[in-house]
Amino acid sequence: AQTVTQSQPEMSVQEAETVTLSCTYDTSESDYYLFWYKQPPSRQMILVIRQEAYKQQNATENRFSVNFQKAAKSFSLKISDSQLGDAAMYFCAYKQETSGSRLTFGEGTQLTVNP
Amino acid sequence: DVKVTQSSRYLVKRTGEKVFLECVQDMDHENMFWYRQDPGLGLRLIYFSYDVKMKEKGDIPEGYSVSREKKERFSLILESASTNQTSMYLCASSLPWTGEDEQYFGPGTRLTVT
Repeated sequence: AQTVTQSQPEMSVQEAETVTLSCTYDTSESDYYLFWYKQPPSRQMILVIRQEAYKQQNATENRFSVNFQKAAKSFSLKISDSQLGDAAMYFCAYKQETSGSRLTFGEGTQLTVNP
Repeated sequence: DVKVTQSSRYLVKRTGEKVFLECVQDMDHENMFWYRQDPGLGLRLIYFSYDVKMKEKGDIPEGYSVSREKKERFSLILESASTNQTSMYLCASSLPWTGEDEQYFGPGTRLTVT
């Protein structure tokens, strides 16, 4: 079974600085998708960024970018120019090409942004 | 915008009670999911459904059942609530599998079983 591991339960960053959240996963598949979801305090979880495993280019969405290392099975999220609104729980998730829409989530990383 | 709503934000029930958690989505999504979220464990899939009246077990289905009589509504049922089912429950929906399709989440129901 696939597993997703986020080894940093908590992280903090100063406003305007850059922070990187780590995620590793275990799979024997070659085709899959990876996601980062954000869960702000008392608000609904939303998708931040996604990456297709067959694409070598790292995905970017404004201040959010990923470092996808397929051989190392690593999928880290970099947040640049951190803002107070970035404070949230961040979840890394994996979806196998052949598993339909099932997602496997990591444990989550609680990000604090200090003013 | 996709909207996924859940019937309650907070719920307190007693051990042994039958509990219904309701989820409704307004975007005509075929797929619907129920997760529970616990600190240090992330989100774990309880049940999911690809279509009306269809259901499949997720990773932790024990003690739960589901019902999907209409496309927009997916109910999670705790037949006899126990204290170890105290948790945050999240509902999600998505389009039929298209690879990178995202899941849209409801606000969650924080259930306490005493």
